[in-house]
Amino acid sequence: QKEVEQDPGPLSVPEGAIVSLNCTYSNSAFQYFMWYRQYSRKGPELLMYTYSSGNKEDGRFTAQVDKSSKYISLFIRDSQPSDSATYLCAMMITGGGNKLTFGTGTQLKVEL
Amino acid sequence: DVKVTQSSRYLVKRTGEKVFLECVQDMDHENMFWYRQDPGLGLRLIYFSYDVKMKEKGDIPEGYSVSREKKERFSLILESASTNQTSMYLCASRTQGFSNQPQHFGDGTRLSIL
Repeated sequence: QKEVEQDPGPLSVPEGAIVSLNCTYSNSAFQYFMWYRQYSRKGPELLMYTYSSGNKEDGRFTAQVDKSSKYISLFIRDSQPSDSATYLCAMMITGGGNKLTFGTGTQLKVEL
Repeated sequence: DVKVTQSSRYLVKRTGEKVFLECVQDMDHENMFWYRQDPGLGLRLIYFSYDVKMKEKGDIPEGYSVSREKKERFSLILESASTNQTSMYLCASRTQGFSNQPQHFGDGTRLSIL
């Protein structure tokens, strides 16, 4: 079993839809949770970074962490075609050499 | 803005060749990382470096080595390239110390071994 599980998709939604992307994890030592966005032929770029359980909002993006369920989510409101990309969740243990463990990524397509 | 530059976007090499992938960052970051990215497997850590001349094995170091002679440069070396090393290779860097500092990625090198 992988430490971090993420549905690879592809996920196709109409413009303006609310998108929900999710990851589950098995290692309760993970303390930092990140979402990266990766456009085709580009490197991943950081979207959201959270530490504690609860919600964190940044514009149209909301990151949610539920440590008791070992479950994290990224919500995208009013999705746009420019949101079409692969979304990677990543997690880190403090003192673990700052190493990240990544999900496999979910491919999202927002259609006009 | 942090800039992580990987020397080649696309590279084609032959089996048995020694291959060098170069990565340079311009933010004086202590930590640097090499990943490979494969469909269905996500990003997997090959090697990382805490600082100059320091290196640690990641999850899949077999067949690879690294060099960090200067703080801004981290090289990945395929000692004798094999076809199963065909992949997208990503370099990242981050500042040491604060756990809330993210890794910044380059745009990757797509390596094909024939």
